[in-house]
Amino acid sequence: GAVVSQHPSRVICKSGTSVKIECRSLDFQATTMFWYRQFPKQSLMLMATSNEGSKATYEQGVEKDKFLINHASLTLSTLTVTSAHPEDSSFYICSARWGLEPQHFGDGTRLSIL
Amino acid sequence: KQEVTQIPAALSVPEGENLVLNCSFTDSAIYNLQWFRQDPGKGLTSLLLIQSSQREQTSGRLNASLDKSSGRSTLYIAASQPGDSATYLCAVSLYSGGGADGLTFGKGTHLIIQP
Repeated sequence: GAVVSQHPSRVICKSGTSVKIECRSLDFQATTMFWYRQFPKQSLMLMATSNEGSKATYEQGVEKDKFLINHASLTLSTLTVTSAHPEDSSFYICSARWGLEPQHFGDGTRLSIL
Repeated sequence: KQEVTQIPAALSVPEGENLVLNCSFTDSAIYNLQWFRQDPGKGLTSLLLIQSSQREQTSGRLNASLDKSSGRSTLYIAASQPGDSATYLCAVSLYSGGGADGLTFGKGTHLIIQP
């Protein structure tokens, strides 16, 4: 089956640090990748959609200058949380798909900002 | 804006019981609907995917139905086992010109199966 690898699985860092999360499709080419986040006891919320070689499309309320998304190849997308603050602490999870196939999810990244 | 609601929010039952988890969505113009399982601190495991043209899907002890016109789906779990304990998420995608949109998730049903 299709495998999506997300790294790191856990990050703890100080306020003001920038954090990069990688999402890789290991055995297929991902024309589209999605980034979601989940606050405690809340549902997963779509943050942005990125198509390879194009700028990401952000959902309403998500700051594009704070959450930088790069999808430079068909197998890799990165999410960089710039100048992270405690309110950015959350569970971030990516998914990837080829064409109109179903999305395949990574295992997520637990981000804790002190 | 699409909203997905799952009922109940939590459920605790003895092993062996048959269960029904409910999901409703406000915009019936969906592309597909998926049921996922999420274990604590983990990512998502896709259980079943139902295309908008389908009425149900089955995998082992799991059966999911879809009534698009009424905006409802149910996940039926037969002969529940302690290993089924997890949070079950329902998610729908709408269709846009470029393909299926990102998923809109419900808050999930936290299921505990007592041995």
